[in-house]
Amino acid sequence: DIQMTQSPSTLPASVGDRITITCRASQSIGSWLAWYQQKPGKAPNLLIYKASSLEIGVPSRFSGSGSGTEFTLTISSLQPDDFATYYCQRYNNYQYSFGQGTKLEIK
Amino acid sequence: QVQLQESGPGLVKPSQTLSLTCTVSGDSISSSNYYWSWIRQPAGKELEWIGRIYISGSTNYNPSLKSRVTMSMDTSKNQFSLRLSSVTAADTAMYYCASAQLVRGFHAFDIWGQGTVATVSS
Repeated sequence: DIQMTQSPSTLPASVGDRITITCRASQSIGSWLAWYQQKPGKAPNLLIYKASSLEIGVPSRFSGSGSGTEFTLTISSLQPDDFATYYCQRYNNYQYSFGQGTKLEIK
Repeated sequence: QVQLQESGPGLVKPSQTLSLTCTVSGDSISSSNYYWSWIRQPAGKELEWIGRIYISGSTNYNPSLKSRVTMSMDTSKNQFSLRLSSVTAADTAMYYCASAQLVRGFHAFDIWGQGTVATVSS
């Protein structure tokens, strides 16, 4: 079973900061990695799919990179609406699993 | 635009079976363009994929839940369903239905329902 490890679990940051969240897979998953934003009481919202493809309607300050076992989500300049929890999610061998989440907090 | 809506009893007794339904609007559940999934999230915790179903009837389940999970489809009602047997308090969670589309290789969940809370308690 492939394990997904996200870091950090909590990230204090300020508006305008550039931040990066990392997701590591216990074995290679190619580019089958997605990123989601979740706000309290809401369903997750897809931001990035296939490691680096920006979902329609998602601001261009969000970007994803990586392949194999190491992936990153970058927000180039934090906006007030970006403070939320972020999850990575992998797909392979007909199975999906999510990372533990990264809570982006106001510093 | 596809929309999903979960429904089901909010309270289930321990050892009983949790049954939830997801109603799909905006497209046919019979379309070959979608896999339909259930995902859950205990309060304050991470997301857990439960399983998925395709129009062919094929299913894939999370190995940790496989022995207790059954998913099915009702094309006449444009719905798909989840049954989780022998529930315990650990199954208390927000349950989401979600779709993964062919255009993204079925690998990412681009449409989600709003979620429904299921509580296991006597």
